[in-house]
Amino acid sequence: KQEVTQIPAALSVPEGENLVLNCSFTDSAIYNLQWFRQDPGKGLTSLLLIQSSQREQTSGRLNASLDKSSGRSTLYIAASQPGDSATYLCAVFPDKLIFGTGTRLQVFP
Amino acid sequence: NAGVMQNPRHLVRRRGQEARLRCSPMKGHSHVYWYRQLPEEGLKFMVYLQKENIIDESGMPKERFSAEFPKEGPSILRIQQVVRGDSAAYFCASSSTGGGGYNEQFFGPGTRLTVL
Repeated sequence: KQEVTQIPAALSVPEGENLVLNCSFTDSAIYNLQWFRQDPGKGLTSLLLIQSSQREQTSGRLNASLDKSSGRSTLYIAASQPGDSATYLCAVFPDKLIFGTGTRLQVFP
Repeated sequence: NAGVMQNPRHLVRRRGQEARLRCSPMKGHSHVYWYRQLPEEGLKFMVYLQKENIIDESGMPKERFSAEFPKEGPSILRIQQVVRGDSAAYFCASSSTGGGGYNEQFFGPGTRLTVL
């Protein structure tokens, strides 16, 4: 059974820091991995989608890597800003989206 | 091009009542997915539907919950005789195609159900 774990569960940092959020999954048989952002009381916004044949994707200050063999992905956020404060979710797709429980990020000025 | 729409955004029901949650997929999308997010828990897959067909309902509770996606109109997630444990955020997502592999799912803003 596929399980997705995210570490840390919560993170509080001052503005400007570079951050690494971790996601691990137990079964490497996935089509892809996706990182989402969820703001309080809101829906999900897709940040990055990494196909299983890819090793990383970049969008602006965000970079996500995927190592299928070790069952790990990291989301790197450069030069964090207060507007980055949200919960970050990773999800893998073997035959349905399976989500981790998220990392709650707080960036303070 | 409007995104995925869900209504109502907030729904309050008393124990024993019925809850009906609606989801209108993005224009041109014929695949709909429902997820539930219990307080302090991650999102969990409930059901995957195509027009007039349930493709995968492996995440649906065995009783009281049903879903449909008719030929015309929105997808409906129906919860009969609600209990306090049904209080959660229910998210809908849609994609343009489905089947093998992955086609990016776009999420709606969710319906927050509170059962008193």
